[in-house]
Amino acid sequence: DVKVTQSSRYLVKRTGEKVFLECVQDMDHENMFWYRQDPGLGLRLIYFSYDVKMKEKGDIPEGYSVSREKKERFSLILESASTNQTSMYLCASSFTPQGGHTNNEQFFGPGTRLTVL
Amino acid sequence: RKEVEQDPGPFNVPEGATVAFNCTYSNSASQSFFWYRQDCRKEPKLLMSVYSSGNEDGRFTAQLNRASQYISLLIRDSKLSDSATYLCVVNRVWDDYKLSFGAGTTVTVRA
Repeated sequence: DVKVTQSSRYLVKRTGEKVFLECVQDMDHENMFWYRQDPGLGLRLIYFSYDVKMKEKGDIPEGYSVSREKKERFSLILESASTNQTSMYLCASSFTPQGGHTNNEQFFGPGTRLTVL
Repeated sequence: RKEVEQDPGPFNVPEGATVAFNCTYSNSASQSFFWYRQDCRKEPKLLMSVYSSGNEDGRFTAQLNRASQYISLLIRDSKLSDSATYLCVVNRVWDDYKLSFGAGTTVTVRA
């Protein structure tokens, strides 16, 4: 059974704190993603990694950074948390299909609901 | 303009009813289309891929209309367990491993 786990289901932090969100997948997937989900806005891509130590900015990278030192682990870092970063954070992974892109299903972790006070 | 747009609903239907809803996508060059399901306070999970010729998976039927750039999902004989938010998802052209997600259509099936 495929599995993506995230370090915390709920997290409460104060403005200005440094926040680490961890994600681990056990499917040997090349690609990993961090999204945030807000009502009415859907999932928005923060950062993407297609290999160890490789990363790409997504649609809303400002205020975030990421780290991928091992294939199975992708960390999201909020250098200085702000109240507008209160959100649901979802990690996902997918494999790189050979010879095409017929199915790049993404598997999601259970999410971390972060509240910044 | 958003890449993927959906009617947020909610669609409130009785058990056994048929419910259908659409989403539109902005990039005519998109190639891969999906419906994901998200239960309340849970993560999204793939419900089904959408193929050009249309496809069925049990009580669920997905259709793709490339000319009008919309995707539809139809649920027949609705069950209480079908209550969820359905996310329309499209691959990003020129950036293939990334997906664009709609904000979701909420369906509530009542007894």
